[in-house]
Formats: sequence, structure tokens, C-alpha cells
Amino acid sequence: GESVGLHLPTLSVQEGDNSIINCAYSNSASDYFIWYKQESGKGPQFIIDIRSNMDKRQGQRVTVLLNKTVKHLSLQIAATQPGDSAVYFCAEKGGGTYKYIFGTGTRLKVLA
Amino acid sequence: GAVVSQHPSWVICKSGTSVKIECRSLDFQATTMFWYRQFPKQSLMLMATSNEGSKATYEQGVEKDKFLINHASLTLSTLTVTSAHPEDSSFYICSAWTSGENTGELFFGEGSRLTVL
Repeated sequence: GESVGLHLPTLSVQEGDNSIINCAYSNSASDYFIWYKQESGKGPQFIIDIRSNMDKRQGQRVTVLLNKTVKHLSLQIAATQPGDSAVYFCAEKGGGTYKYIFGTGTRLKVLA
Repeated sequence: GAVVSQHPSWVICKSGTSVKIECRSLDFQATTMFWYRQFPKQSLMLMATSNEGSKATYEQGVEKDKFLINHASLTLSTLTVTSAHPEDSSFYICSAWTSGENTGELFFGEGSRLTVL
């Protein structure tokens, strides 16, 4: 079946460094991708999104890169802060549907 | 952004009882709501898609008689876990979809933690 997966389950970074979280997806028909942040005991929080007709999108301190050739998505966080510690999920939406399928998740730990 | 409210945020029940979880879109109308289940340290697993006024569409492997979903209005969807057992203990999260600037935006509730004793 279709799936979205992540390469790294846990990522530890020094405060102030940049973080890169990766995600692989398998549905070539997916047309929309979102990165979510989830803190312990809470629901997912929207971070940034990107459409399939784009390869890069920047937000405040975050950048999402999409490589459709290899079906790869990444989230870059600049100057990582302690408040960035959380689990990050990528999610894809299949073309023509409203269903969002989530990847496995990566836990980001920011070291002081 | 839009607000999605879930209630209760946590519930403890005895095995064999039924539990209802509500998901409300507070400041927008949601024709489509989604229910997810999340086990500890795992990702969100889509359980079903709920459309207002019609039957929910369940994902493969999700028991529709076990997890009853009702989407009676554009702002409310409910998930009832019937005859709950300890293996049903989980974090249940709803989300509501609304048309937005992009292809539509998905807003999540804060989740409901169910513990079945």
C-alpha cells in the first residue's frame, strides 16, 4: 500500500544549529505535503506546506524542500531552539482526495 | 487559524463500556472531518473520513461497528468507541478540513486520550 516514511526516528541537534528532517513518500500522485509538529500529549500543529508543483518553500526559520524525482521531502529548521523539541511528521495528500497520510515521525531533541 | 476542539481531552473507563468523543470546529464549517488514532511513539493512523450527512468511510482494518462515527452537522463529528477494551486505549485525534488558500487546510484538535481499564 501507499506509505510515507522517515529515514531518522530521532535527531539530536545543538541549540543554534540547523536541523534537517527527512521524509520519503511513495505515492507519486500526491499533490500536497505538510509538515506538522507535535508536542507531547497534544495534537499536530501545522508548520509549513508545499504543493507538488513547487520544489521549495520558505517560512519563518523553516524551509521545506520537495524532490519529486526521488519522492523525498525535507524540513529544514534554522537556528534550532529548545522550543523546537518535538516530534515532526510529514503528511501527504493524494491527488483528488482529502485524505492526509502521515509518515512515521522524527523526534527532534535540541541540546543546550 | 481555525480552531478545532475535542472533548473530553482524557477519559478513563471500564472495559465493556462505550465512550463518545466529540470533535467541533469552532469558527468554521467543516464538511469533512478525519479521525486518527495514535499509539505511543508512533505516527497518526487514519481511521476514517467523516462527511457531513453521510456515512463515514473507514480505512482498511478499522472496525466500523467498533468505532462509530457520526457527522450530524457541519461543526460536529463524534467518535464512539463501543464496548471498549484495554487494547482500545490510545490517543484519538480529529481534524477538520476547510477550503483555504491552498488546496484546503486541515486543522487538528488537541486529541483525546482514552484509557480502558
